[in-house]
Amino acid sequence: SQQGEEDPQALSIQEGENATMNCSYKTSINNLQWYRQNSGRGLVHLILIRSNEREKHSGRLRVTLDTSKKSSSLLITASRAADTASYFCATAPNSGGSNYKLTFGKGTLLTVNP
Amino acid sequence: SQTIHQWPATLVQPVGSPLSLECTVEGTSNPNLYWYRQAAGRGLQLLFYSVGIGQISSEVPQNLSASRPQDRQFILSSKKLLLSDSGFYLCASQVPRSPDTQYFGPGTRLTVL
Repeated sequence: SQQGEEDPQALSIQEGENATMNCSYKTSINNLQWYRQNSGRGLVHLILIRSNEREKHSGRLRVTLDTSKKSSSLLITASRAADTASYFCATAPNSGGSNYKLTFGKGTLLTVNP
Repeated sequence: SQTIHQWPATLVQPVGSPLSLECTVEGTSNPNLYWYRQAAGRGLQLLFYSVGIGQISSEVPQNLSASRPQDRQFILSSKKLLLSDSGFYLCASQVPRSPDTQYFGPGTRLTVL
């Protein structure tokens, strides 16, 4: 079954508003990552949060991780039309050594209206 | 930083024809390499990964195969395409023993008719 599940599947907001996307997972993780994909393009890494971290910031992005609830959230503040994209969470297993495989969720499609 | 190249960008092939998609990596050595498939509006399905030359692990039984003839080259192949092979194919690279970030290529859109 899917390790990461994003919620909501789609989100439409106005420019300047904040966007919050959630991700839930099932098994123990080493870290959780968020990626962005513009339509028809490859994925771009946004931010990584380790299992021993609770919150992380990068520019307008804020990620939280609650390992007790097996969930993460991505907040984009002061959204812009250029933030329109699909956002995916991906989990790296807590298996030690190099984490070869990431498991991706189905993504949240964010539309920011000008 | 790494740069991932994929070609072709778009491909339309008839059912039963062969397939060869190529991925090359610049800016790193001895990366872990991955092939993903993404169906329309869906997440990524890991197809194959490789931790070194000639070392291929398959994640799901399918009509496809992968090869890694050189350290920074990863090829996805099929002898006979099926309609269900249509999708968006993404190659990704990861540097071992560093944060597990994956770098993605621009993708190949494959349509099987």
